[in-house]
Amino acid sequence: EPEVTQTPSHQVTQMGQEVILRCVPISNHLYFYWYRQILGQKVEFLVSFYNNEISEKSEIFDDQFSVERPDGSNFTLKIRSTKLEDSAMYFCASSAERGENEQYFGPGTRLTVT
Amino acid sequence: AQSVTQLDSHVSVSEGTPVLLRCNYSSSYSPSLFWYVQHPNKGLQLLLKYTSAATLVKGINGFEAEFKKSETSFHLTKPSAHMSDAAEYFCATNSNSGYALNFGKGTSLLVTP
Repeated sequence: EPEVTQTPSHQVTQMGQEVILRCVPISNHLYFYWYRQILGQKVEFLVSFYNNEISEKSEIFDDQFSVERPDGSNFTLKIRSTKLEDSAMYFCASSAERGENEQYFGPGTRLTVT
Repeated sequence: AQSVTQLDSHVSVSEGTPVLLRCNYSSSYSPSLFWYVQHPNKGLQLLLKYTSAATLVKGINGFEAEFKKSETSFHLTKPSAHMSDAAEYFCATNSNSGYALNFGKGTSLLVTP
């Protein structure tokens, strides 16, 4: 069964450093998403991406964040200058359609900022 | 804005007994509602979804949920818990735009022998 994959599974970085989290969505899906979950808190939407542009973003997704689909298979989340409060589990998801169509999630990348 | 509230952060049941995980929603129109499960070190897996068709929705692994508009609820149930059901369960609804999912805080289900 097709699945969303994410690398790395765990990333440790120092405050102020740039990190890139990588995702390979399901191949025939058109909509891509990033979510995060700070330890002990709910899963929060960051951004959605469709047709090579951001379709929606949350208040969390400020100028330090960016997303890119550099080729036909990868979808990346870049955090330009990490802060301690960026420590969280980051989930990538993809869907064939938006709205009522289910989103398929990857296993997540645990980001630890020291 | 579309939102959901999970009423219990932890639920503990004995193996073989029924499971009830509660979720209330807030929506200005008929929402799409989802239940996801997360096992340790795994991604979120869709259990079932409601999209304004039948109000009783059957999902995988014997789970089902009933959409009750009068109670603004979408509770998840299973007649008989199995040890493998122990996991974190998330209720979610779609955003107004249809792109984002808005999640509840999650309910941790513990199944004891």
